[in-house]
Amino acid sequence: QQQVKQSPQSLIVQKGGISIINCAYENTAFDYFPWYQQFPGKGPALLIAIRPDVSEKKEGRFTISFNKSAKQFSLHIMDSQPGDSATYFCAALDDYKLSFGAGTTVTVRA
Amino acid sequence: DVKVTQSSRYLVKRTGEKVFLECVQDMDHENMFWYRQDPGLGLRLIYFSYDVKMKEKGDIPEGYSVSREKKERFSLILESASTNQTSMYLCASLAGNRVGYTFGSGTRLTVV
Repeated sequence: QQQVKQSPQSLIVQKGGISIINCAYENTAFDYFPWYQQFPGKGPALLIAIRPDVSEKKEGRFTISFNKSAKQFSLHIMDSQPGDSATYFCAALDDYKLSFGAGTTVTVRA
Repeated sequence: DVKVTQSSRYLVKRTGEKVFLECVQDMDHENMFWYRQDPGLGLRLIYFSYDVKMKEKGDIPEGYSVSREKKERFSLILESASTNQTSMYLCASLAGNRVGYTFGSGTRLTVV
């Protein structure tokens, strides 16, 4: 049973476009919500993270939006570049355990 | 930066073999984790350890065991490998203050 539900499974975006990935959770004990980026043959690398007392966090072209009442959070990739083509995972931390979404494969077409 | 090193990138083992996957971290983190990654399922927690000789089951511990004899090293053991254990295995570590969850590059295990 997946504790964090992620959608879409994959998306294709043109260079310069916006990629949006959505996640939802039920466990109110989660108190830290990171996003990971994974390239083929590599382990996931932390991209950006947010705590539930903040509604939005921006780092460069990457923005997390967080809606605590709806138990939803999303990643927006602005001005998408071919180098952003990767698999993205949302996650949620409860105590010391991370629960992951199923992942979204993003393909940016030049 | 924290470095989490997994000893093998690729492994091919036969059904029934005992398999050891090794993971070493260099930042004195208290907590270490083993996940498996499968397409469409994301990463699922197998076991974790919050101290030397301590271990806790994750979400999918069946068919696996772990060993943590030293703080920096966390081993995943497949007592009798089966084909449904073919997967990508990822090790991670985390400091006691819950900052810096860092993954290794993974071991792709194929059981034939």
